[in-house]
Amino acid sequence: DGGITQSPKYLFRKEGQNVTLSCEQNLNHDAMYWYRQDPGQGLRLIYYSQIVNDFQKGDIAEGYSVSREKKESFPLTVTSAQKNPTAFYLCASSLVAGGLLKTQYFGPGTRLLVL
Amino acid sequence: DQQVKQNSPSLSVQEGRISILNCDYTNSMFDYFLWYKKYPAEGPTFLISISSIKDKNEDGRFTVFLNKSAKHLSLHIVPSQPGDSAVYFCAASSGGGADGLTFGKGTHLIIQP
Repeated sequence: DGGITQSPKYLFRKEGQNVTLSCEQNLNHDAMYWYRQDPGQGLRLIYYSQIVNDFQKGDIAEGYSVSREKKESFPLTVTSAQKNPTAFYLCASSLVAGGLLKTQYFGPGTRLLVL
Repeated sequence: DQQVKQNSPSLSVQEGRISILNCDYTNSMFDYFLWYKKYPAEGPTFLISISSIKDKNEDGRFTVFLNKSAKHLSLHIVPSQPGDSAVYFCAASSGGGADGLTFGKGTHLIIQP
């Protein structure tokens, strides 16, 4: 059963702590993305990666870091530098065929709360 | 500066009638547009997309219309069903789009019995 999995579903962070959100896909998609959603807002792009070992900053990358060591995995670390981390985090993936974007498919999301 | 705008935060439609959700964009470089449906605490589900070389795309009850000169697109749902109640996001990309999507803030569609 192909899809995108995110874990955990809920995550609590203490002040000054780094936390890592997991995203795995078995769709053989080339590109992976991290978005953040705040109440009443659309999704905003944090980071994206089109190929393994390469990634690019999105619109709101400050306070976040990523890695792409494997095609299937794109973990997101929320660092202590992110001053307002409470949000719903969504991972997505897509094929990039011939340099053209195909539809992005989303995981179920992780809700991060600061204690 | 919001490049994708959904000016109606909510829309109420009677079951069986047509639902029309609107989206405007400002970036003339956008060439691929998508609609997603989202329930609370879940990831968005892809509904339908349209390339800028077309002005209409249809999939079952869902039709997307694109007016490039007006930088406007709309999603029509006919007939509306109770399960259609959700938040609908319009999204756009440019230059092949592998560098991510730009989303609107969403429209909450409520289907009334």
